[in-house]
Amino acid sequence: DQQVKQNSPSLSVQEGRISILNCDYTNSMFDYFLWYKKYPAEGPTFLISISSIKDKNEDGRFTVFLNKSAKHLSLHIVPSQPGDSAVYFCAAQSAGGTSYGKLTFGQGTILTVHP
Amino acid sequence: DAGVIQSPRHEVTEMGQEVTLRCKPISGHDYLFWYRQTMMRGLELLIYFNNNVPIDDSGMPEDRFSAKMPNASFSTLKIQPSEPRDSAVYFCASTTTRDAYNEQFFGPGTRLTVL
Repeated sequence: DQQVKQNSPSLSVQEGRISILNCDYTNSMFDYFLWYKKYPAEGPTFLISISSIKDKNEDGRFTVFLNKSAKHLSLHIVPSQPGDSAVYFCAAQSAGGTSYGKLTFGQGTILTVHP
Repeated sequence: DAGVIQSPRHEVTEMGQEVTLRCKPISGHDYLFWYRQTMMRGLELLIYFNNNVPIDDSGMPEDRFSAKMPNASFSTLKIQPSEPRDSAVYFCASTTTRDAYNEQFFGPGTRLTVL
């Protein structure tokens, strides 16, 4: 069963507009969430994260929002640039018990930003 | 630091052959993870190690898969015998436990094709 789901396989956005990538999770034990970006033929690289004690974290053009009651998080990219075109993975982590250090990833969303 | 190193970058083999994938984590990192990326399931965790000891191998799909970490700077993932459905990109990642939550650093991946 997929504990972390990214229901949109792809997203296409015009340069300069906002990109919104969504992620849902089912495990209420998750208390830390991360977004990774992946270019073709490269490994995923860390982008931004958020702890469950917050509902928003911002880093430049990237903002992650967390809605714990809905078990939903989103990544906003404003303004979107062609260089943002990549696969974006949502990941979740629980600090407790035997899951320490383990990340659970979603399926990924392919973002294409058109010039 | 050179980052996480994986070899080979590409592997093409025939069904039934043994395949060995290799990983060198970032020096000083005490966690090592093996992932498999597929279109359907995204990034799946196969197994992870802490201080060279396997912690969770519940993601290993079958007995045909095995992983070892003989020392802090080297790990292998072996598939024997390989099957066409094993074709995927395999990533190795490492991290450290300095903080409760840690981003994982990924290698460039090995693209495996089983004919």
